[in-house]
Amino acid sequence: KQEVTQIPAALSVPEGENLVLNCSFTDSAIYNLQWFRQDPGKGLTSLLLIQSSQREQTSGRLNASLDKSSGRSTLYIAASQPGDSATYLCATSGNTPLVFGKGTRLSVIA
Amino acid sequence: GAVVSQHPSWVICKSGTSVKIECRSLDFQATTMFWYRQFPKQSLMLMATSNEGSKATYEQGVEKDKFLINHASLTLSTLTVTSAHPEDSSFYICSALTRDRVWNTEAFFGQGTRLTVV
Repeated sequence: KQEVTQIPAALSVPEGENLVLNCSFTDSAIYNLQWFRQDPGKGLTSLLLIQSSQREQTSGRLNASLDKSSGRSTLYIAASQPGDSATYLCATSGNTPLVFGKGTRLSVIA
Repeated sequence: GAVVSQHPSWVICKSGTSVKIECRSLDFQATTMFWYRQFPKQSLMLMATSNEGSKATYEQGVEKDKFLINHASLTLSTLTVTSAHPEDSSFYICSALTRDRVWNTEAFFGQGTRLTVV
């Protein structure tokens, strides 16, 4: 059974700092890995999707990497802004529907 | 990107009544939709998988008679919470899968519905 772990659970950084969020998974037989953002009381917004054959995806200040063999993915946020404050979740998809980590709660302080 | 619309955004109902939540894929056809529940400070938990034209598949521990799921068309799935109780109060989120190639799927999510049962 797939298990997805995200570290750290919470992170607070000053504005402008670059940061890395970590996601690890136990079963490397995945189709793809997605990173989502969730604002308090809101639904999920898909940020990046990395297919199993890819190693990274970039969108603006966001860069996500995937290392299937080691069961790890990272989300890199460059030049963080207060508007980036949210919970970030990673999820894997495989033979079963998406399996989510518990998320990293990010606070960017102005 | 693909848009999934969920309605209502929030609802308050009396204990014992039923509530219906709609999930629509606005610009794509979704043969598969998922319903999740999220308790405060917890991760999303899958409740059921909904396939168009067939019965939903429920996760272990989810009461199928209490959480009725209907996926009558390729763009609409509904979740009905029947005889709601305060412990059903939660945040419910649906998602729909796009699929342009066999294994290239991406999930898009509705805005979520905050259900409060009083």
